Amino acid sequence: DAGVIQSPRHEVTEMGQEVTLRCKPISGHDYLFWYRQTMMRGLELLIYFNNNVPIDDSGMPEDRFSAKMPNASFSTLKIQPSEPRDSAVYFCASRPGGGGSIQYFGAGTRLSVL
Amino acid sequence: DQQVKQNSPSLSVQEGRISILNCDYTNSMFDYFLWYKKYPAEGPTFLISISSIKDKNEDGRFTVFLNKSAKHLSLHIVPSQPGDSAVYFCAASAGGGSNYKLTFGKGTLLTVNP
Repeated sequence: DAGVIQSPRHEVTEMGQEVTLRCKPISGHDYLFWYRQTMMRGLELLIYFNNNVPIDDSGMPEDRFSAKMPNASFSTLKIQPSEPRDSAVYFCASRPGGGGSIQYFGAGTRLSVL
Repeated sequence: DQQVKQNSPSLSVQEGRISILNCDYTNSMFDYFLWYKKYPAEGPTFLISISSIKDKNEDGRFTVFLNKSAKHLSLHIVPSQPGDSAVYFCAASAGGGSNYKLTFGKGTLLTVNP
């Protein structure tokens, strides 16, 4: 399996622009997670899905952030409009259902908002 | 409010010696703990885990110790190798591993010098 695939790997945009980050989870995994990593806050969970349904979005910082999972093999995290403080590395992770807590991470998208 | 704390941002050790990475938690509901390793420009990868019913779990050169009364866990790497140089994240979940949310610490950068 190719693992969790995120695109793009790097994104540079200007303040006010819309940004869309993409994630393809590992095939067969029922859960998908979006995280944000910053120096100040570390690795924080933004939202997670179970069988394409959002379960907990309490970590989404503002209404400017939205996430969708239209099918089992694809998810997006959108920021509209983007702000410089959104600059961070965004990770997607997936895991199978059942017991255990191990999540498998993608390589991340480094976002820079100028 | 950081529920999982890694108070040492960095640690430097000599090749062949022991590396000890520490993690403290405040939420008494946490009952499953994981360590992840992260290389630059890659996503975190699972390293080792421990359930609260145990106080030690070993996997090759890696051993995790859990002290529930002190709400403290540690990761021991013996012997340390240059390839172990990475950021190590401690993570915790509640609900016997069936809770799908992980709370991460901010990480400790381990440097193993040849």
